Amino acid sequence: QVQLQESGPGLVKPSQTLSLTCTVSGGSISSGSYYWSWIRQPAGKGLEWIGRIYTSGSTNYNPSLKSRVTISVDTSKNQFSLKLSSVTAADTAVYYCARGLYDSSGYLGYWGQGTLVTVSS
Amino acid sequence: QSALTQPASVSGSPGQSITISCTGTSSDVGGYNYVSWYQQHPGKAPKLMIYDVSNRPSGVSNRFSGSKSGNTASLTISGLQAEDEADYYCSSYTSSSTLEVFGGGTKLTVL
Repeated sequence: QVQLQESGPGLVKPSQTLSLTCTVSGGSISSGSYYWSWIRQPAGKGLEWIGRIYTSGSTNYNPSLKSRVTISVDTSKNQFSLKLSSVTAADTAVYYCARGLYDSSGYLGYWGQGTLVTVSS
Repeated sequence: QSALTQPASVSGSPGQSITISCTGTSSDVGGYNYVSWYQQHPGKAPKLMIYDVSNRPSGVSNRFSGSKSGNTASLTISGLQAEDEADYYCSSYTSSSTLEVFGGGTKLTVL
């Protein structure tokens, strides 16, 4: 059973870059053909899809964040990462990583527990 | 404002059935059978309950069912149980560059 775990700083200063890592266990991130995604949720609000990376390395981003987002994979560490630049208080949220339910599926079948990132000086 | 519209809250008594609606457009819900539903308990990660409009992942109770008519998808929970009390989010593929859109979420209260 695949498991995902987010990690990274819980506090980021405005205008800086938010960097999070999702460590995958229970399987190789390079096996199969999966979408590896990032989603966020501000406190008390709904879910927002940030973007995803395919096993091949191709990426898709939410247009509202596209100019600031980079998602990448490190197969040697069995991890994928999120970088969000020029953050503001509006980027404060719980950030989740997730994997597709099955090969080439966009459905978010497996989730990490989430990590809270606060943007504040 | 979310791309998909859900009621803010619904409620029901144990044993009853409830339905949560999710309204989009022909560019998302109405145009594709790529609708999914997620359950989220407080402080927990969302859990996929329904995909492809009406399919259940392995391990999800058959008390949960999904359907779609036109631009509106629905999640029905039958035989309500206390453990079903949670927030529910619909999601759909969209032909816009966003690719994936969520509803604003519905809080289910089991009375």
